[in-house]
Amino acid sequence: AQRVTQPEKLLSVFKGAPVELKCNYSYSGSPELFWYVQYSRQRLQLLLRHISRESIKGFTADLNKGETSFHLKKPFAQEEDSAMYYCALREYGNKLVFGAGTILRVKS
Amino acid sequence: DVKVTQSSRYLVKRTGEKVFLECVQDMDHENMFWYRQDPGLGLRLIYFSYDVKMKEKGDIPEGYSVSREKKERFSLILESASTNQTSMYLCASSLDPGRGEAFFGQGTRLTVV
Repeated sequence: AQRVTQPEKLLSVFKGAPVELKCNYSYSGSPELFWYVQYSRQRLQLLLRHISRESIKGFTADLNKGETSFHLKKPFAQEEDSAMYYCALREYGNKLVFGAGTILRVKS
Repeated sequence: DVKVTQSSRYLVKRTGEKVFLECVQDMDHENMFWYRQDPGLGLRLIYFSYDVKMKEKGDIPEGYSVSREKKERFSLILESASTNQTSMYLCASSLDPGRGEAFFGQGTRLTVV
């Protein structure tokens, strides 16, 4: 069963428009969730983690345990945000599992 | 700066060959991971290791094995390569599982013909 679900394969928005990348999870314990990003020709890297409640590059994500969601949001998209975004869940021990990913395309 | 280095960027192997993918990290991390990355399927965990000589199966271990003889090195082995193992393979390491930050290598694009 899929523990991390990213329902959109591709999200295309115009520059300056709001962005929301969806992530839902399934986990019986206390979840630890993350967003990773892969820019073109670069390594996959951590964008943000829910536990630190930080905003990175204008992105935020709030853990909603009732809806089992961890959606990534940004109020105004920029062209340099175009990338592949992965939601990830830390399961028992050190196991880190990822969703299928969403490609974000920001059009000018 | 954490460095995770995979030995090859591109590999082409024949069906039935035994294939070794090597990964080295230079930050004394306990945890190391092997994933394969396929379009539409995301990253799927093959194996991970939380200490030297310790390993655990991930979600898709069939057809693969791993070796961790030294802390800094984690090898992925395809016992008998098949065409359905053509993929991008990513190695990662992490220090503190509570922080969850994994550092990734540049990837190895393996083609099995």
